Amino acid sequence: AQSVTQLDSHVSVSEGTPVLLRCNYSSSYSPSLFWYVQHPNKGLQLLLKYTSAATLVKGINGFEAEFKKSETSFHLTKPSAHMSDAAEYFCVVTLDYGQNFVFGPGTRLSVLP
Amino acid sequence: DADVTQTPRNRITKTGKRIMLECSQTKGHDRMYWYRQDPGLGLRLIYYSFDVKDINKGEISDGYSVSRQAQAKFSLSLESAIPNQTALYFCATSDPIGGDEQFFGPGTRLTVL
Repeated sequence: AQSVTQLDSHVSVSEGTPVLLRCNYSSSYSPSLFWYVQHPNKGLQLLLKYTSAATLVKGINGFEAEFKKSETSFHLTKPSAHMSDAAEYFCVVTLDYGQNFVFGPGTRLSVLP
Repeated sequence: DADVTQTPRNRITKTGKRIMLECSQTKGHDRMYWYRQDPGLGLRLIYYSFDVKDINKGEISDGYSVSRQAQAKFSLSLESAIPNQTALYFCATSDPIGGDEQFFGPGTRLTVL
């Protein structure tokens, strides 16, 4: 069975410093992996996705993630945090062309001035 | 206009009442999903539908039912609402040809007293 672990429920960074949000997954097969962002009182928006092409995936708003099969990880990074990045971030894994999406519990990112 | 809309956006109801949440989409996607979001648990799948004649239970379908009235419409019903169904509910669509990205509605905040 698939599962997703987001190692930090809350991450706090200062504006202008790097962001690292960690995600590990469990899957018997080669998965598709996604990061979504949810701003307060809003729906979810796709940041980036990995679907067995390049292992380093670039997304919107300067975010990127690296798929590491040996570590079963898909960590999200950004070189320099902006106040507008404060939100909830979800790591998602799926197999079978969208038959089953499994969400991690989420990481709340706070950005301090 | 939003591609995925949900009505109502907020609803307060009493235990035992029947409630219907509606979702409409203009993306032309065959696949639609209903999730609930609870703090610290991420999103959990309630039901999903891959076309008008295909309905499948998700991880937490007990106490819920759905209806796929058309390609564009997917409704979620709580036949007899209970307080632990208080949550934020999201509808989503996806297109496997487009790479499995899910597109989310703005959510419905449901409170059961």
